[in-house]
Amino acid sequence: DVKVTQSSRYLVKRTGEKVFLECVQDMDHENMFWYRQDPGLGLRLIYFSYDVKMKEKGDIPEGYSVSREKKERFSLILESASTNQTSMYLCASSSRLMFSNQPQHFGDGTRLSIL
Amino acid sequence: AQKITQTQPGMFVQEKEAVTLDCTYDTSDPSYGLFWYKQPSSGEMIFLIYQGSYDQQNATEGRYSLNFQKARKSANLVISASQLGDSAMYFCAMRVLGGGSNYKLTFGKGTLLTVNP
Repeated sequence: DVKVTQSSRYLVKRTGEKVFLECVQDMDHENMFWYRQDPGLGLRLIYFSYDVKMKEKGDIPEGYSVSREKKERFSLILESASTNQTSMYLCASSSRLMFSNQPQHFGDGTRLSIL
Repeated sequence: AQKITQTQPGMFVQEKEAVTLDCTYDTSDPSYGLFWYKQPSSGEMIFLIYQGSYDQQNATEGRYSLNFQKARKSANLVISASQLGDSAMYFCAMRVLGGGSNYKLTFGKGTLLTVNP
């Protein structure tokens, strides 16, 4: 089974801090994703990476950056955390899309609170 | 642009009954895939079922089936014989296969299903 592991289930940080959320997958997937999930808004894509050191902006990249130095690891960085970044963050991975039915596999999520 | 609409914020069903969760989508691309995910209160997103736009038959996976009506652009999830463990948030998502954005999943806002004993 695919395993996507997020470093923390719950995280509390202060406004202005630099925050790192880590994600590791064990299936040699090329693609990795970061989403945030807010009540009533569903999942929104923050950033996507299709290869090591490659990244693309999603729908809501403002206030975030990412890093992918190794294939299995994809980090989300909040450069200067703000209270409106309090949310649930979900990491996902998938193989390169040779077939249309390849699902994204998700981690358990990180509930981040910015005080 | 792609859009997924789930019109039911919440649904209730009695244990052992069937329930249908609605999903409509909007895209101008002829090639796309539709996914359903389940998210229990613990937070993880679990992939349930997939339907491709060119698939001739409706997808089925165990107690899950997809009522795919292409002309109406709907892809409703049917859960048969509901169980208490089916209580969760359910998301419909779409991926368009053409162009440069074929990696991206567009999600609906979800439907919270509660199964009553």
